Amino acid sequence: SQQGEEDPQALSIQEGENATMNCSYKTSINNLQWYRQNSGRGLVHLILIRSNEREKHSGRLRVTLDTSKKSSSLLITASRAADTASYFCATDAKYYGNNRLAFGKGNQVVVIP
Amino acid sequence: GAGVSQSPRYKVAKRGQDVALRCDPISGHVSLFWYQQALGQGPEFLTYFQNEAQLDKSGLPSDRFFAERPEGSVSTLKIQRTQQEDSAVYLCASSWDRNQPQHFGDGTRLSIL
Repeated sequence: SQQGEEDPQALSIQEGENATMNCSYKTSINNLQWYRQNSGRGLVHLILIRSNEREKHSGRLRVTLDTSKKSSSLLITASRAADTASYFCATDAKYYGNNRLAFGKGNQVVVIP
Repeated sequence: GAGVSQSPRYKVAKRGQDVALRCDPISGHVSLFWYQQALGQGPEFLTYFQNEAQLDKSGLPSDRFFAERPEGSVSTLKIQRTQQEDSAVYLCASSWDRNQPQHFGDGTRLSIL
């Protein structure tokens, strides 16, 4: 079963706008990661935030983590057409102890040029 | 190339046939994971190797699924007596260490007729 759940699941925005996606999870985690997947391809790691971190930046990406609410958000600023993809959050739960990831259902993001 | 390589990219088999899916992880990566991704869903964990040891196979859906990594590098996922519900994309991921991001291959799209 999947632990993460992203909200919203489909997002269509104009190039240059910001895109925000949310993710919730249920158990204690070591870290939470965001991945991007282009159609027909594998997942590309975007950013990892550890359970003791609250916010992290990487280029145009900003991730927040609220362990009290068991939720995370991914913000993509100044979106580009190339950002069109599915975005997944994945949790590394403490329970398993082997870094297996539990993925959400994903957000489909379409950036219109 | 330096990434995770999976073969074949596409596999069509008749129900009841056996299939074997191959994963070449990034050289030197200790951890190797297999995931199953149904259409429109996030990946679901199948099994985990640390070097040649299969430390977690709790995600394998039935005893028809078998994975091995005999020399701690290349891994093979075998599905015996395939059924239509086995149709999915099978993703392989590797990482340098337990607490590092996972690098994914492009997957094998398996279709069972």
